[in-house]
Amino acid sequence: GAVVSQHPSRVICKSGTSVKIECRSLDFQATTMFWYRQFPKQSLMLMATSNEGSKATYEQGVEKDKFLINHASLTLSTLTVTSAHPEDSSFYICSCGGPGFWQFFGPGTRLTVL
Amino acid sequence: DAKTTQPTSMDCAEGRAANLPCNHSTISGNEYVYWYRQIHSQGPQYIIHGLKNNETNEMASLIITEDRKSSTLILPHATLRDTAVYYCIVRVPMNYGGSQGNLIFGKGTKLSVKP
Repeated sequence: GAVVSQHPSRVICKSGTSVKIECRSLDFQATTMFWYRQFPKQSLMLMATSNEGSKATYEQGVEKDKFLINHASLTLSTLTVTSAHPEDSSFYICSCGGPGFWQFFGPGTRLTVL
Repeated sequence: DAKTTQPTSMDCAEGRAANLPCNHSTISGNEYVYWYRQIHSQGPQYIIHGLKNNETNEMASLIITEDRKSSTLILPHATLRDTAVYYCIVRVPMNYGGSQGNLIFGKGTKLSVKP
């Protein structure tokens, strides 16, 4: 299957700082990338859908000014959590939709905000 | 999107077949059945998908009932590494009729494979 990477895998930051998470599709061009987050013992929740070269579409309840998404190329999307607070601590996962009928997920980024 | 219902948890003995059921009684004609699994603290992993015919790959088999209202994922010889949460998702595939293809995850079935 296709390979999707995320960086960093784990980050700890102080409250009020911003954190950038990168998602890369390593062996195919992803016109669409998805960002999910997962709180402990819960399922994945879709945050936003980003298409290369256009603005992301956010799910209801997700603040677009807080979670900035940039999908500047077919292989890279970034999620920036601005002014992070402890309640933003979560497992953030990206997925890439390439040609075909399935998505490939990254390994996830564990964010801890102190 | 059609909703799915899965048991919360299941146990399976190592080396035995694990049969994970999924109900999707409101599935529409153009929706596929996808199965993913998530091992603890990792991203979800694609397993298999199907429309109406049974499917098999190196990981698993997918049995879809004739009326498509339910399906079963079969892991033929479960190992300890198959312990994970298994998600059954019903969705129109990406780019079909303008679909963005995003996957909606339910709570899944927590499969515990025991020695």
